[in-house]
Amino acid sequence: NAGVTQTPKFQVLKTGQSMTLQCAQDMNHEYMSWYRQDPGMGLRLIHYSVGAGITDQGEVPNGYNVSRSTTEDFPLRLLSAAPSQTSVYFCASIRTGGNYEQYFGPGTRLTVT
Amino acid sequence: GQQVMQIPQYQHVQEGEDFTTYCNSSTTLSNIQWYKQRPGGHPVFLIQLVKSGEVKKQKRLTFQFGEAKKNSSLHITATQTTDVGTYFCAGRGNNFNKFYFGSGTKLNVKP
Repeated sequence: NAGVTQTPKFQVLKTGQSMTLQCAQDMNHEYMSWYRQDPGMGLRLIHYSVGAGITDQGEVPNGYNVSRSTTEDFPLRLLSAAPSQTSVYFCASIRTGGNYEQYFGPGTRLTVT
Repeated sequence: GQQVMQIPQYQHVQEGEDFTTYCNSSTTLSNIQWYKQRPGGHPVFLIQLVKSGEVKKQKRLTFQFGEAKKNSSLHITATQTTDVGTYFCAGRGNNFNKFYFGSGTKLNVKP
């Protein structure tokens, strides 16, 4: 199993550009989520999904869109990048019915200039 | 909204000293998890606590969940250089699908 994979590892965007961060998992986990990590602020939940076709907002959803068309993939779209979205983004998945252990991907470091 | 506060922000210890990090929630939690993130890495799950007053041990690590399910602590006995990293707590409230992370405690261990 590859676990949770994220692409790209690094990305630089100009203000106003859009892009999609990719996340995939091969563990057949129903729950997937996106976090952003900023210095001194821990991880903040952006969006999450409890299964294909179902998504919901987390703490900081503004400026981000998600969709979940398959169990494996959970892409995060930045509609119009802003410098405030400079951060490290982590995708995570959970096997529901267990102890809800979150498996994190390696992260995407995004810089918006 | 739900908040989980974590202290201290940083801790520098000599190898062999003990280390403790604390989490406090503004509301009652359904459960709390602990994660470790090595420098440049991603968070890795350590443990989940569910019951009021629960205490769990993993070798030199001791995890506690308060009686009121509003606070938790992680204690490391006799730190080693391999313990270096940032430790996060993550609590879940009434909405079982949302995790609220503390800001983390960055541990540095001097050999």
